Amino acid sequence: QSVLTQPPSVSAAPGQKVTISCSGSSSNIGSNPVSWYQQLPGTAPKLLIYDNSKRPSGIPDRFSGSRSGTSATLGISGLQTGDEADYYCGTWDSGLSPWVFGGGTKLTVL
Amino acid sequence: QLQLQESGPGVVKSSETLSLTCTVSGGSITSSSYYWAWIRQPPGKGLEWIGSIYSSGSTYSTPSLKSRLTILIDTSKNRFSLKLSSVTAADTAVYYCTRLGYDDGSGYYYFDYWGQGTLVTVSS
Repeated sequence: QSVLTQPPSVSAAPGQKVTISCSGSSSNIGSNPVSWYQQLPGTAPKLLIYDNSKRPSGIPDRFSGSRSGTSATLGISGLQTGDEADYYCGTWDSGLSPWVFGGGTKLTVL
Repeated sequence: QLQLQESGPGVVKSSETLSLTCTVSGGSITSSSYYWAWIRQPPGKGLEWIGSIYSSGSTYSTPSLKSRLTILIDTSKNRFSLKLSSVTAADTAVYYCTRLGYDDGSGYYYFDYWGQGTLVTVSS
């Protein structure tokens, strides 16, 4: 059971937009910035979004992030088949474990 | 370009100690802006942060593994290591070494560079 809650899967057609939610609590998302990681099949995760909405160099602006209260959202527009991956949210936590991840969301581009 | 490379045995016997090393190239492990971390992923499951270390040797770890875990840093060889004792099948996972980079804007750290990962299987 992950501290942060994500939907197990989402799907959408190419060209469409999809959002992935990440729900937490006041000890994590409610008081710390969220980052998102993309894990393409068979590869290591890659930083996609940090500080809730910032994109590292090289990440296209099709990827966006936001945070409100104790939840965060990853948005992917103009979906491509190459976006099929697992997506994880993560943040710092003032509770038991300093860092927590969500359980991951598998994105399928139909 | 910074690169991280995990190395170590791919199979460890149950009750023994799992030992991995992460060699960092293309950058210094002693930079004040970074921490270094281990994350694991059991087959078909999600990511689990194991622990982090600073160049000074100060460490942070997840409570569930703390009693079995040792993370060390060797600044002379630009690498850091993980030792997990008394392993069981539940420790079978892909183990990633990562860098925690500092963001001036937020004042927080993020996992900005990852190794390719190494699968460690605990056998009975």
